[in-house]
Amino acid sequence: AAGVIQSPRHLIKEKRETATLKCYPIPRHDTVYWYQQGPGQDPQFLISFYEKMQSDKGSIPDRFSAQQFSDYHSELNMSSLELGDSALYFCASSYRETEAFFGQGTRLTVV
Amino acid sequence: ILNVEQSPQSLHVQEGDSTNFTCSFPSSNFYALHWYRWETAKSPEALFVMTLNGDEKKKGRISATLNTKEGYSYLYIKGSQPEDSATYLCASLYNQGGKLIFGQGTELSVKP
Repeated sequence: AAGVIQSPRHLIKEKRETATLKCYPIPRHDTVYWYQQGPGQDPQFLISFYEKMQSDKGSIPDRFSAQQFSDYHSELNMSSLELGDSALYFCASSYRETEAFFGQGTRLTVV
Repeated sequence: ILNVEQSPQSLHVQEGDSTNFTCSFPSSNFYALHWYRWETAKSPEALFVMTLNGDEKKKGRISATLNTKEGYSYLYIKGSQPEDSATYLCASLYNQGGKLIFGQGTELSVKP
């Protein structure tokens, strides 16, 4: 069965560089969530999209932006990267209120 | 600010023990409650999705209950096994398409 696909799986960037993380939700899912998990921390909600419109926003820095495209895939753009942005970034998708399915995550390391 | 609280933060039990943990969430405008199991180096996997007050769900040795009026859910594991060792996350949803708000998780360690 198709799962949530995230790319890349690993990314190493230098400070002040830009990174783009991609998420391909399960077909027919109408909601996409982005989470950031720092080392030893709980997952922190960044942003969500429902039917390609931003539906909710969490603790997402102004340096980050996200969008969902017509094919339902989503991209998280991160600019002026800081060391503290190093984390595991999860994308999840769901249909209505049913269970969310998570991707494998993108591990971003900022050096 | 919507906060989801889980307790305890960590739990160490012996194989065969039964255990339970709590998830507390704001009850106003509640839409759904999710439980996830998260093993190290893997992504979270859903255990249960509950929406109605009084809901009880069961999957093998794991079961969950929901009280939407007072804002809590319990997860029970009967006869814990070492393979149950994981972090158990609950998350509440307040509107369709809105954000899933996660608790901090309960880390369960089951010793043989």
